[in-house]
Amino acid sequence: GPKVLQIPSHQIIDMGQMVTLNCDPVSNHLYFYWYKQILGQQMEFLVNFYNGKVMEKSKLFKDQFSVERPDGSYFTLKIQPTALEDSAVYFCASSRDTNTEVFFGKGTRLTVV
Amino acid sequence: GNSVTQMQGQVTLSEEEFLFINCTYSTTGYPTLFWYVQYPGEGPQLLLKVTTANNKGSSRGFEATYDKGTTSFHLQKASVQESDSAVYYCVLGPLYYGGSGNKLIFGTGTLLSVKP
Repeated sequence: GPKVLQIPSHQIIDMGQMVTLNCDPVSNHLYFYWYKQILGQQMEFLVNFYNGKVMEKSKLFKDQFSVERPDGSYFTLKIQPTALEDSAVYFCASSRDTNTEVFFGKGTRLTVV
Repeated sequence: GNSVTQMQGQVTLSEEEFLFINCTYSTTGYPTLFWYVQYPGEGPQLLLKVTTANNKGSSRGFEATYDKGTTSFHLQKASVQESDSAVYYCVLGPLYYGGSGNKLIFGTGTLLSVKP
């Protein structure tokens, strides 16, 4: 089936540094999402993105977070600066429309030390 | 606010046993409800979807029925296999298509372990 690719699969970064998580959505999809899952806890919505704009974001989407997809390249989540509590698995997802199936990537495990 | 509750954090069964996972939800209106499954090392993937139009969904031997009266959406399978071992999430979808951009609200997940 359709694949969402996430790069890298694991990232270790020093607290205070910047990190960019990359996502290659399914090719004909127009809606993009980031979800966060802290180890042992539930999956939580961060943000969704359409037509170059953030549609909705949750309280977890702090001011240090930003998303973009310049000219059809990777859909990225940037955290600057990182904090210890940002350690989690971040899942990228995409869908063709708002009422169609959402496909998830395998996640990027971010460890902030 | 909108939420889903899965009380069973872990279920352990032997092959060919019956599976039943509880899920209740809280929201206004008529949501779309999903069960997602996550295998080790993978992202969540859609298992089945139920809307108020059909009240029931099935896929790969799994069934779920949506009961608005009890706000429940349980998952069941008559005979599990070892390959069904995974985490199962009850998920609440948007009430109105287009407005929320398909934001999904996940339950805490139920880890199913099936022994051969």
